[in-house]
This record gives sequence, structure tokens and C-alpha cells, in this order.
Amino acid sequence: AQSVAQPEDQVNVAEGNPLTVKCTYSVSGNPYLFWYVQYPNRGLQFLLKYITGDNLVKGSYGFEAEFNKSQTSFHLKKPSALVSDSALYFCAVRDPDNYGQNFVFGPGTRLSVLP
Amino acid sequence: DAGVTQSPTHLIKTRGQQVTLRCSPKSGHDTVSWYQQALGQGPQFIFQYYEEEERQRGNFPDRFSGHQFPNYSSELNVNALLLGDSALYLCASSFGEVIRETQYFGPGTRLLVL
Repeated sequence: AQSVAQPEDQVNVAEGNPLTVKCTYSVSGNPYLFWYVQYPNRGLQFLLKYITGDNLVKGSYGFEAEFNKSQTSFHLKKPSALVSDSALYFCAVRDPDNYGQNFVFGPGTRLSVLP
Repeated sequence: DAGVTQSPTHLIKTRGQQVTLRCSPKSGHDTVSWYQQALGQGPQFIFQYYEEEERQRGNFPDRFSGHQFPNYSSELNVNALLLGDSALYLCASSFGEVIRETQYFGPGTRLLVL
């Protein structure tokens, strides 16, 4: 069965510094990987996804993520954090070889960007 | 271009009651998925509707049921509510059953069961 882990409940970073939010996954085949962000009292907003091709994926609001098959990771990164990036971040995976499974989300990582 | 909309935004029910939540997909989308997000957790997949049929289902009891209408909008029904059903219920829409398609989420309905 597919699963997603986000090993850090909370990440704190100073404004202007680079940020990384970690995600590791487990699927039987090649994964489809997604990052979403959730602001307070809001639904999830799509940031980026990896389906195939270049391991470095660029998304919305300056975010990017790197797919690493050998480490089964898909870490979210941004070169320079903004206070407005403070939110809850979710990594999700779909297994294309297992159609019966829909999105499986990680538990989320709360990002706090300090001014 | 309207995004995914959900109604109501908040709802308070008592144990044993029944509730219906509504979702209108993003323009051009025909597939609707429902998720339950308990406090402090990631969303959990409930089921997905395409062409007015339930196509996939997560690990939720039969108390959770749904419907999709010809205009692609959808309802989530929960019977015999339990305290543990208190959560944010999210609707997501996408185009077709293509597994690589991005799902776009609505703002959610927050359900409190007393």
C-alpha cells in the first residue's frame, strides 16, 4: 500500500533564508507526487506535481521540489522564504499501478517563517 | 472562472443525525472526490464520483454515501453521525479519471457533531 511520511511536524525558518519541507513516500511502482499548501480555515491549494521527466519540478509562488527515486523523497524547497509562506504543507502520492487507490496525504508540516 | 465551491461553510449536528454536504466542481471538471480532514491530520480519501457513479472508495463505513448529478455537482451524505465524524470535509475536482490529473480543492465544510 502506498504511504507518505513528513518527518517534521514543524519547520521554523527566518525570512529570506532558504526553506526545505521534507517528504518521503512508499509505493510499489513509479509514483505521482504532489505538494499542497493549506492556510488557516481554507482548503488545499495546489503547488506542484511530479509525474515524469525532469527530477526538479517548479511550481507556484517560487516553490520547487526535487524527486529522488533512490531515496524515495520529494522535498519541497524555496530559495528565499517569505512570512506569507507560513502555512501547513501536505505531500501526497498516487500510485499509477494501483488505480483503486486515490491520493494518500502525509500528516502535514507546519512552516513558520519568522520576520 | 469559478473554482470549487462547497456549502455550507459550517454545520453543527448532534449524534445520530444525518447531514448532507454539497460541492460544485471547478469549471470544466467532471470528477469529484471527497476527503475528511480531522484536526491536526492530513486529508483522508472517502470516495470519488465520475459519470454519476462511485468509482473509488476509501476505508469509510457505509454511513458515508454520495451522489453526483448530471451537472457534475456532488453531495456527501453521512448518516447516524458520531462524535468522531467532526472534521473538515473537503471536496476536490479534476478532469476525467486520468490518474495524473491534479485535484483542485474547495474551502471545505467544517462539521461539528455534539
